[in-house]
Amino acid sequence: ETGVTQSPTHLIKTRGQQVTLRCSSQSGHNTVSWYQQALGQGPQFIFQYYREEENGRGNFPPRFSGLQFPNYSSELNVNALELDDSALYLCASSTDTDTYEQYFGPGTRLTVT
Amino acid sequence: AQKITQTQPGMFVQEKEAVTLDCTYDTSDQSYGLFWYKQPSSGEMIFLIYQGSYDEQNATEGRYSLNFQKARKSANLVISASQLGDSAMYFCAMREVWSSGSARQLTFGSGTQLTVLP
Repeated sequence: ETGVTQSPTHLIKTRGQQVTLRCSSQSGHNTVSWYQQALGQGPQFIFQYYREEENGRGNFPPRFSGLQFPNYSSELNVNALELDDSALYLCASSTDTDTYEQYFGPGTRLTVT
Repeated sequence: AQKITQTQPGMFVQEKEAVTLDCTYDTSDQSYGLFWYKQPSSGEMIFLIYQGSYDEQNATEGRYSLNFQKARKSANLVISASQLGDSAMYFCAMREVWSSGSARQLTFGSGTQLTVLP
């Protein structure tokens, strides 16, 4: 069984640029959630995708957007990058049945300069 | 809104000793789930243990147990027989369930950095 994978591992961008982060969910999982974890803090929920549609969103501006594909992999896009967007971005996959576990990927560390 | 509070930014424990990491929560929901995750320096969040709000027994998973006190709204993690590999950041989290259906959002605390001393 393949776990959750994320790419790239690390990324450096300049303020104002755009970035796309990718996540491949665990086999059989149809739900993907994205979290932002600033240094020294707990992860904050960005949004969740279920069967290719956004199924809930945290307190993040519209320049954070996402996609989920038919194979349930997902992308997180961030436009007009700001310095405060520097963080570890975590993706987690799960199923829509009554299971409580979300399986997290290793994360993408984004640095905005 | 749900809130998780972890008041211990850092904890030290001697190898082979037990340690308790504190977590309190605030919610108006009757049905909720409480989780503990371990995050080593590599960054990946590793699921440790889960407690449902209606579970009467405290959850246990190997060396991990969750001391669930519903009236006090606390869900402390107990690690028995600490090992050097237990040194990591530990997060308490709560699951939200939206009325719209199956969405599940985790709300995390600020974490506790545990260091196991040889």
